[in-house]
Amino acid sequence: NAGVTQTPKFRVLKTGQSMTLLCAQDMNHEYMYWYRQDPGMGLRLIHYSVGEGTTAKGEVPDGYNVSRLKKQNFLLGLESAAPSQTSVYFCASSYPAMNTEAFFGQGTRLTVV
Amino acid sequence: AQSVTQLDSQVPVFEEAPVELRCNYSSSVSVYLFWYVQYPNQGLQLLLKYLSGSTLVESINGFEAEFNKSQTSFHLRKPSVHISDTAEYFCAVRPNQAGTALIFGKGTTLSVSS
Repeated sequence: NAGVTQTPKFRVLKTGQSMTLLCAQDMNHEYMYWYRQDPGMGLRLIHYSVGEGTTAKGEVPDGYNVSRLKKQNFLLGLESAAPSQTSVYFCASSYPAMNTEAFFGQGTRLTVV
Repeated sequence: AQSVTQLDSQVPVFEEAPVELRCNYSSSVSVYLFWYVQYPNQGLQLLLKYLSGSTLVESINGFEAEFNKSQTSFHLRKPSVHISDTAEYFCAVRPNQAGTALIFGKGTTLSVSS
């Protein structure tokens, strides 16, 4: 059981470039999330999905887009990267029941220069 | 809306000393409460969670947390810390409402030295 797998683990982008971060889970979870982690800011929710084909905005959605075409995958896109998007990105997944915890991937460290 | 406040950003302690990491939350609906731990350069791992029942929750590695509904707190404690407990600790809440996500505090860095 791999759990939650994020690809890539590291990436350096130039300002204005685009990229997609891939999250895959093999636990048959309905809910999936993208967070960003910045020093002193904790984890802030970017977007999340409560099921295949559905997405919702979180606390800091601007500059990002997401897609959930398959239940096991949740993609995070940056159309035109900015230095302010330099961060560590974490994907997580969970069952719908509110009393269940989320399982996290190992993170993607993104630097925008 | 919900929010989580971790009252200390950094907590330095000596090995074998007790420690308390404080967490307060606010919410207009009932919530489920979680503590996660993040070791350097790793993802987050669940440490413990409060769902219902006894207000004292224990983890397998000696941590415990007490839910206090009147004070809306969920403080994490350990009576004797080890060097290996050095990590960042996150308090999180999940509203008891369909279609919502985990909301995290800003984290507390626990540094244990000898």
